[in-house]
Order: sequence, then C-alpha cells, then structure tokens
Amino acid sequence: DQQVKQNSPSLSVQEGRISILNCDYTNSMFDYFLWYKKYPAEGPTFLISISSIKDKNEDGRFTVFLNKSAKHLSLHIVPSQPGDSAVYFCAARHLGAQKLVFGQGTRLTINP
Amino acid sequence: DVKVTQSSRYLVKRTGEKVFLECVQDMDHENMFWYRQDPGLGLRLIYFSYDVKMKEKGDIPEGYSVSREKKERFSLILESASTNQTSMYLCASSLRGPHEQYFGPGTRLTVT
Repeated sequence: DQQVKQNSPSLSVQEGRISILNCDYTNSMFDYFLWYKKYPAEGPTFLISISSIKDKNEDGRFTVFLNKSAKHLSLHIVPSQPGDSAVYFCAARHLGAQKLVFGQGTRLTINP
Repeated sequence: DVKVTQSSRYLVKRTGEKVFLECVQDMDHENMFWYRQDPGLGLRLIYFSYDVKMKEKGDIPEGYSVSREKKERFSLILESASTNQTSMYLCASSLRGPHEQYFGPGTRLTVT
C-alpha cells in the first residue's frame, strides 16, 4: 500500500521556466512533509519541508504547497536551472513517528 | 555540517556471503535509518534505530539485521546475500521529532 505517491516518473522543463512536481498521500495522520533531491551515485539531500499547520513554505527558488483537503503536496522551482536536473522524492512523517515514508521519485530534466 | 559516512561506495559480493555495511554520523543524532533504493520503487525503509541498542523493523526487513552499539554507528548486516539484494543502500540520521534526515552517499551493492 503506497501511502505517498508520485505519479509522474519523469518531467522535462525548459530552463528558466517553472517546474512543478506533485505528490499525493493517503494518510491523514501525516503531519510533516519534505522534499529531497538526489543526483546519481549520491545520497538524497534535503530541500524544503512543511508542517501540516501551514499551506506554503518558501526557500529561495523553491516553494512547497500543501493542500490538506486534497492530500496533495507540490514543489515549485522557479526559475528552473540545469543544475536542478535530478530525481526528486517527496516524503511524509506520521504524527509522533520517527520514520519517513517516501514516494517513488520523479526524474526532472531541465533542458537548455 | 552534518556528515553521514558509509564504509564503501561500491561493493561486490557472492551469493551466500555475509555482508556488513557500516554507517557513521557525527552530529549526535538519536535516529538512524537504513534504506534501499531501487528504480521505480523509491526509498524503502529496511530498519531504523531511535537509540543505542534499540532497533525497529521498517517495511522490508526480511534478509537483513542491524546493530547499534554506539550512538554514532549503525550497521546493516546481510546474513546470507542473495541476488535480489543487489541495490543502492542508503544510511540516514536525524534528530528526534519532525526534522529532516541527512543521508550518506550510498553503497552500491552487487550480489553475483
């Protein structure tokens, strides 16, 4: 049972445009959500997070939106840069738990 | 900066061998995690530990065991390696509570 789903395995975006990565979840007890970025042959690196009491969090070019009623999370990158080409994972934490549940990942390619 | 190190970047083992993967973190984090990453499946949790000598099964613990004798070190053990354990293994650590996990660079294990 996949509690966190990233339904798009890949996404291709022109440099300078907006990249939007989506994530859906099924468990209403998730209270903390994160996005990670992963380059080949490296470990994932933390990008941005959001608590369930908020609906938006910004950090530079990265903005995460949370729609609790739709159980939907999105990551916006603007403007997109070639160095943003990577696999992006969303993750969620169940209230009171220490572990994270990860989605399958979306491979983002930024075209020059 | 948090640093999570893993003992090997690449490892090739034969079927039936006992395999040890070591992970060390230098930030006094309570939690440590072992994941495997496979294409299309995202990051799947094998085991985690929230304190010294404590361990909990993740989503796919079969065929694996772990050891945490010191706070900074978390070992993953494949008792008898099999070809379906060929994968990228990622170690992570975090503070207790809603905090991001920090990942090591990963170990690419091939079992032949």
